[in-house]
Amino acid sequence: QSALTQPASVSGSPGQSITISCSGTSSDVGGYNYVSWYQQHPGKAPQVMISDVSDRPSGVSNRFSGSKSGNTASLTISGLQAEDEADYYCSSYTSSSPIVFGTGTKVTVL
Amino acid sequence: EVRLVESAGGLVQPGGSLRLSCAASGFTFNNYAMTWVRQAPGKGLEWVSSISGSGGSTYYADSVRGRFTISRDNSKDAVYLRMNSLRAEDTAVYFCANSRGYSYAYNWGQGTLVTVSS
Repeated sequence: QSALTQPASVSGSPGQSITISCSGTSSDVGGYNYVSWYQQHPGKAPQVMISDVSDRPSGVSNRFSGSKSGNTASLTISGLQAEDEADYYCSSYTSSSPIVFGTGTKVTVL
Repeated sequence: EVRLVESAGGLVQPGGSLRLSCAASGFTFNNYAMTWVRQAPGKGLEWVSSISGSGGSTYYADSVRGRFTISRDNSKDAVYLRMNSLRAEDTAVYFCANSRGYSYAYNWGQGTLVTVSS
């Protein structure tokens, strides 16, 4: 049940695009198309932004998109806005447990 | 609208016990697995436990197996987490979440703080 690996921080200027990576193994990210991404503002509950690698729930901005290649999933935020500044976590279904989370990435809007 | 509301946590002494509950509404409860996730102060998200829609299958993180018990009452649309032998490292905000397919944490409650300290 080792956590998935994410960069500790990513930053970008308003209007730019950024990408957050989520690295796992063939037992989690690489083995299943069940990767989710969550946004968490300080003191708030996480909110799902992407599920099943690339599905965007109703109400989530189309500036958020997800993809996967091999054992690494990615979340791209295009047209970065001040309100996107938050912590982001990935998760995946695994062969040994229903879910494992990533280490988390702090996104800063410069 | 999906709504998940956790019961109040609180301060517990090391070695003590506490039961959290999560009241669900806005979806057909017994069709969905439920999950507890925790977040220690200033730290990341950690999966704690999940239970299938029928309650017949339960899953635990190694860090809590043997000490925590997840259960559900589908007649009350509620899921529970019984926490025994609590340790300082169990101090965290505990969130309940429902599932969507194989996404075991989809909609989340607001969370409840559990502090283990003497």
